[in-house]
This record gives sequence, structure tokens and C-alpha cells, in this order.
Amino acid sequence: GAGVSQSPSNKVTEKGKDVELRCDPISGHTALYWYRQSLGQGLEFLIYFQGNSAPDKSGLPSDRFSAERTGGSVSTLTIQRTQQEDSAVYLCASSLQTGVSYGYTFGSGTRLTVV
Amino acid sequence: DAKTTQPNSMESNEEEPVHLPCNHSTISGTDYIHWYRQLPSQGPEYVIHGLTSNVNNRMASLAIAEDRKSSTLILHRATLRDAAVYYCIKGSGGGADGLTFGKGTHLIIQP
Repeated sequence: GAGVSQSPSNKVTEKGKDVELRCDPISGHTALYWYRQSLGQGLEFLIYFQGNSAPDKSGLPSDRFSAERTGGSVSTLTIQRTQQEDSAVYLCASSLQTGVSYGYTFGSGTRLTVV
Repeated sequence: DAKTTQPNSMESNEEEPVHLPCNHSTISGTDYIHWYRQLPSQGPEYVIHGLTSNVNNRMASLAIAEDRKSSTLILHRATLRDAAVYYCIKGSGGGADGLTFGKGTHLIIQP
């Protein structure tokens, strides 16, 4: 596609429920990144994929968070048993390849509110 | 790990050039300098990035000091739509991890 697409754009969920956030990167981009941004705060890096592989999951805040990517394209970030502190905007970015010589294209994010 | 240093905020007038400074004194030979901006209620937007030489694109210019320990993002003619938080990021050449965003510079444009 022309840009990085994220869905849903907004999600309100009850505490304790599971949520899935979807990211559809730019076609042909092998690298995909997940960040989150709490209200008024900076971006917190969560995880990256090179193809379908996520070499380092240490940035995920807790074991309630998981992410996968299939077919080298769409990625899903899953949060189990959501807590109020999970409320944030979750941003996805893609780039041609991993490595710092390539720029990132970000999606518009999913605003998650846990009530 | 404070990788870059930027002023918290800057103010400029519409239709004038803007020079946004960034210090990255610990930069190594393979580290790239990236700039992104984030408008209110939007995801970050790529502006420009470079390694050693100055870079120009339709959005801005990036001037990199000869010793590479600092750089300046130049918006040639600011508009009200350029009001945003501008992030200067030192991307470590040795790794594939995501770029680390700091607090950035909040650019205010006065009409």
C-alpha cells in the first residue's frame, strides 16, 4: 500500500480483556517496528521484525505482550489481560530493511484506552 | 543513555528559516543521524537522515558538522504546519534495533 496502515484507529476495552492491534506495512518493506506513546510522553520502542523474525523481545513491557508477523507483511501486537497502564497510542513503522541507513514510515497509530 | 541533546523548545516566525540544533558528541563512524517530526495527534513523520555529508530533500536540509558531533536541521521557510516536535536521533550503525526517540524540540511557529 501507499503507507503504513494500522487498525483499529481507536480501541476502548475493559480491564482484563485481550486486544489485538494490527499493522499493515508498506509493500516490500522487510523491517517492521512497534512503539508505544503514553499521553504526553516520548516514544517507547517495543519490538522489531526482520521478515517474520523478532530477534529481540526484551523491549516488550511484560509477558502479557506478544507480537507476530506472518508472510513478511502484516503484524499483530497482542496484549492479554489488559491493565489501565497499557492505555497509550501504539505506533507501527516499517522500513525497507533493518539498520539505520533506512528511514522509517510510521502509521497513524492505534489509541488504546483501558477502562 | 543520552544519545542526543536538543533544546526543549524553539520559537520562530512564519516564512522565516528555522535552524534546529542537535548535539551527538558520542557518535561513532557508522552512526546515522535521523530527524523525524510529530504533529499533534499524529504518528511521527520522517524528515531526513544522513551519515557524513550534508543532505537536502523537499522537506528540509541536514547540515552535519565536520567532526559529526553536532548537526542542524534547516527548514528553509517555516509555515504554521511545521509546528511540531522534532526528534534528532543517533542511529547506531552496529545494530538493527529500532531507533530510540528522545524528548525532541517543540517548535512553535508564530504567524
